[in-house]
Amino acid sequence: GDSVTQMEGPVTLSEEAFLTINCTYTATGYPSLFWYVQYPGEGLQLLLKATKADDKGSNKGFEATYRKETTSFHLEKGSVQVSDSAVYFCALYNFNKFYFGSGTKLNVKP
Amino acid sequence: GAGVSQSPRYKVAKRGQDVALRCDPISGHVSLFWYQQALGQGPEFLTYFQNEAQLDKSGLPSDRFFAERPEGSVSTLKIQRTQQEDSAVYLCASSLEGGGRGSYEQYFGPGTRLTVT
Repeated sequence: GDSVTQMEGPVTLSEEAFLTINCTYTATGYPSLFWYVQYPGEGLQLLLKATKADDKGSNKGFEATYRKETTSFHLEKGSVQVSDSAVYFCALYNFNKFYFGSGTKLNVKP
Repeated sequence: GAGVSQSPRYKVAKRGQDVALRCDPISGHVSLFWYQQALGQGPEFLTYFQNEAQLDKSGLPSDRFFAERPEGSVSTLKIQRTQQEDSAVYLCASSLEGGGRGSYEQYFGPGTRLTVT
């Protein structure tokens, strides 16, 4: 069945460091891919999405490119801030269902 | 406008009790989803409604779990004879469109944390 695998955390970075959170997927057909973010005490929020191969999703300085050849959707940000500290979930949407990864906690230190 | 709301935010139940969790989606949203999120894990799909019709309930873990959305708006997830393994955060999400790719613009509620003792 469809599934998502993302790197385990926590990831601890200093402010202004480069961020990569790896995500790979297994799916039939042509899924859409997403990154969601969950800030402490808040609900899941959509961060960015890509609906077809080679699409790049971007928002708030975060980017991810839908790579069908490597079945990946890695999240990147050039310079993280303390306010980016949160749990990040990679997800795919296929046939009316979302499949989420287990989440990666990011801690950014000043 | 208001987002998705869920109540109660926290629920403690003794093993064997029945519980009911409520979701108020964004007004006018056609699709509604329930997810279960265990500690340290990502959300897992439980069931999906399009208006009042429950189109997919393949994720419900047992026949103790039951969901309804009788008027196509508010939804209730009911768990009968709760067990310790039911302890989790239950998330509700809604989307404006019905079915297909339109459903993926989902807005999540804050969740209900259920603890079964």
